[in-house]
Amino acid sequence: EAGVVQSPRYKIIEKKQPVAFWCNPISGHNTLYWYLQNLGQGPELLIRYENEEAVDDSQLPKDRFSAERLKGVDSTLKIQPAELGDSAVYLCASSSGLFSGELFFGEGSRLTVL
Amino acid sequence: AQSVTQLGSHVSVSEGALVLLRCNYSSSVPPYLFWYVQYPNQGLQLLLKYTSAATLVKGINGFEAEFKKSETSFHLTKPSAHMSDAAEYFCAVSHATGTASKLTFGTGTRLQVTL
Repeated sequence: EAGVVQSPRYKIIEKKQPVAFWCNPISGHNTLYWYLQNLGQGPELLIRYENEEAVDDSQLPKDRFSAERLKGVDSTLKIQPAELGDSAVYLCASSSGLFSGELFFGEGSRLTVL
Repeated sequence: AQSVTQLGSHVSVSEGALVLLRCNYSSSVPPYLFWYVQYPNQGLQLLLKYTSAATLVKGINGFEAEFKKSETSFHLTKPSAHMSDAAEYFCAVSHATGTASKLTFGTGTRLQVTL
């Protein structure tokens, strides 16, 4: 079974440029998460989807960040415009939706903003 | 609100020595607790979880953790460290909401294993 797939793995952009990250969750997983991981810190939830619906986006900076999950499968996280402080790893995770606690993580997308 | 505190951002042990990574939680309701491991340039992988069954939880790669309500702790241990255990370890907490998991992670502990 394929795991959570994220792309790109690495992205370097200049500030004020837009950037987008893509995530393909494990097949059949209804719940999808985007986490932000700063250097030396634990992951912090940005947004959680149940199928197509964003059920928890309280930590998503909506002035520059947006996310979508069309058809309840793949998801895209966008930043426009990027700022220096956005340099971090963006992790996508999925789960079956049952309260098992296990989230399956992708390898992450490392963003560097110059 | 639920939270976890990991004591020690860096822990160094010799190969073959006991590994002890500390985690204390704060929760107003019975928590579900987790340990995840992150190897360099990889995503997080579940090591073990406590979901109100047995207080001593065994996980993968020889790790285990004990839930102690009186101490609000969920420390991770392994009797004998191996070089391959070098990684970042994250404690996380969630609570039963009847919906899918929402995990709050600690700041992590980097484990170094020396010869």
